[in-house]
Amino acid sequence: EDKVVQSPLSLVVHEGDTVTLNCSYEVTNFRSLLWYKQEKKAPTFLFMLTSSGIEKKSGRLSSILDKKELFSILNITATQTGDSAVYLCAVEDNAGNMLTFGGGTRLMVKP
Amino acid sequence: KAGVTQTPRYLIKTRGQQVTLSCSPISGHRSVSWYQQTPGQGLQFLFEYFSETQRNKGNFPGRFSGRQFSNSRSEMNVSTLELGDSALYLCASSSPGLALNTGELFFGEGSRLTVL
Repeated sequence: EDKVVQSPLSLVVHEGDTVTLNCSYEVTNFRSLLWYKQEKKAPTFLFMLTSSGIEKKSGRLSSILDKKELFSILNITATQTGDSAVYLCAVEDNAGNMLTFGGGTRLMVKP
Repeated sequence: KAGVTQTPRYLIKTRGQQVTLSCSPISGHRSVSWYQQTPGQGLQFLFEYFSETQRNKGNFPGRFSGRQFSNSRSEMNVSTLELGDSALYLCASSSPGLALNTGELFFGEGSRLTVL
């Protein structure tokens, strides 16, 4: 059974700080790892990673995957209050058609 | 382009009743997935449909069922509701590539079900 563990469970930072969110996984036949941001209801897509060592970047957010050590990190630099959300990590295996989600990291950014 | 639309947004039922939730995917998306989100268990996969066929099912009892119509709209049904079925039910659509993998999911706002 596929498994995804995220850490920390929650964290509180101040605007301008840099944060690193962690995601480790166990999956039988890895296809991809995805990051989502959930503010109120609908999770919104951030990144999809399939190859080790290649950083994906979008503005202040970046993510990288290590397929040897089975983990990924999501970095947010110069955090803003609008970054406050639950960040979800999910993996997809080669059987496809479903994602296994971690429990999420709740980030609160204080002014 | 309209996003994923779920109805109803909120509903309250009592134990033993049944409920049907509806999901309209993004136009052109043929894959629809359903997830249950609870504070204790997080997001858990229920099932996925592609071209009216259920391709995968999560570890939920048979009380949870779904279907997809020819226009890709999907419904899920929960019969004999239990208190533990109270959750946010999220529908997501995607446009799988040739490999028919899930790829990026586009989520709806969800249907929040409360069972009393």
